[in-house]
Amino acid sequence: GESVGLHLPTLSVQEGDNSIINCAYSNSASDYFIWYKQESGKGPQFIIDIRSNMDKRQGQRVTVLLNKTVKHLSLQIAATQPGDSAVYFCAGRGSNDYKLSFGAGTTVTVRA
Amino acid sequence: SAVISQKPSRDICQRGTSLTIQCQVDSQVTMMFWYRQQPGQSLTLIATANQGSEATYESGFVIDKFPISRPNLTFSTLTVSNMSPEDSSIYLCSAGGGQGVGYTFGSGTRLTVV
Repeated sequence: GESVGLHLPTLSVQEGDNSIINCAYSNSASDYFIWYKQESGKGPQFIIDIRSNMDKRQGQRVTVLLNKTVKHLSLQIAATQPGDSAVYFCAGRGSNDYKLSFGAGTTVTVRA
Repeated sequence: SAVISQKPSRDICQRGTSLTIQCQVDSQVTMMFWYRQQPGQSLTLIATANQGSEATYESGFVIDKFPISRPNLTFSTLTVSNMSPEDSSIYLCSAGGGQGVGYTFGSGTRLTVV
């Protein structure tokens, strides 16, 4: 199986600055990771994913970095906006598995 | 990616009763999953709903308490049986997990047991 966790439960960011959210995982055989955004009263919303054969993947204003050596991944949000305020979860899946394991979540608050 | 409609969005129930939560997916999906999310906490997998066979439950969750149906590739239900206040939580369904397919979530059911 997979165990994932986040380094910090909260992150306060000035609007316009870049945000970096970190996550560590335990299973070196994990092959797939997803970052989710969850706003109050809603289900988790897919942001970006990355497979273990990649180190970096970019989306719109977001970048996920994967460091398999230290079993760490991060989500970078460029030019953070008030609408980015939410709880962010990383989730991982072990190889030969289909179940996702979720980290504890980081609450991002954007200051105007 | 698949779109999931989950209902009810919230409910307040009396202890000892049961509530059935439904999830409808707009396309056929191999895997469907049910999660519980306590307030302010992360998501915990309850079970994997398998089409044509019994659900696969995670440690700490049992079929008598959380019976699941998966009659076809687009629909699943989770029943929370004989509810107690400790069952108050958000319940979420998810779909996906096949080769190259991400995992989509429903909007959740906020359950309060009184």
